[in-house]
Amino acid sequence: AQSVAQPEDQVNVAEGNPLTVKCTYSVSGNPYLFWYVQYPNRGLQFLLKYITGDNLVKGSYGFEAEFNKSQTSFHLKKPSALVSDSALYFCAVRQTGANNLFFGTGTRLTVIP
Amino acid sequence: DGGITQSPKYLFRKEGQNVTLSCEQNLNHDAMYWYRQDPGQGLRLIYYSQIVNDFQKGDIAEGYSVSREKKESFPLTVTSAQKNPTAFYLCASRTGTGLFYEQYFGPGTRLTVT
Repeated sequence: AQSVAQPEDQVNVAEGNPLTVKCTYSVSGNPYLFWYVQYPNRGLQFLLKYITGDNLVKGSYGFEAEFNKSQTSFHLKKPSALVSDSALYFCAVRQTGANNLFFGTGTRLTVIP
Repeated sequence: DGGITQSPKYLFRKEGQNVTLSCEQNLNHDAMYWYRQDPGQGLRLIYYSQIVNDFQKGDIAEGYSVSREKKESFPLTVTSAQKNPTAFYLCASRTGTGLFYEQYFGPGTRLTVT
């Protein structure tokens, strides 16, 4: 069975400060990990994914995520937050051989001017 | 959102009526998905289809039905058997397998049933 946990429903950060949105996962075998962002009343937009290789993955809009196998984590990070980063962020996992993604419950990020 | 269209953006229905949500893609993707989004619950998979004329139930298929007669189209019917149909519905399509797997999402349809 696969699962994803996003332990924080809400993250607040001041504009210009670094941000972290946490994600931990549980799968059998090697994981494929994804981050998506959702703006109000819109679909999900792909940010980045980890498949294999370098544990630090760089994605869209200056976001990056660090894969940590021992901690089964895939935290999303950005060095300097923008007000426009305020949105709902979803972590997702796909187990090797599976056809589907399994999503976390989402974390609402608010960047305070 | 490009490449996947969902219509309408907002949909209102009376309780007891069936309603069909449209999803069309021009990305030439074989696989398509329907998710339901509720506050605090993330996305839950309703149905998915790997190829035309074939589809499988997801985690919360009860009260829903789908068809896949064309590669481009994957409509979802919310039946009167669905006990709590008010939600935001997202359609997605998928490209690639293995290392190249990626899902693309439509803009969503917000269904309100009263």
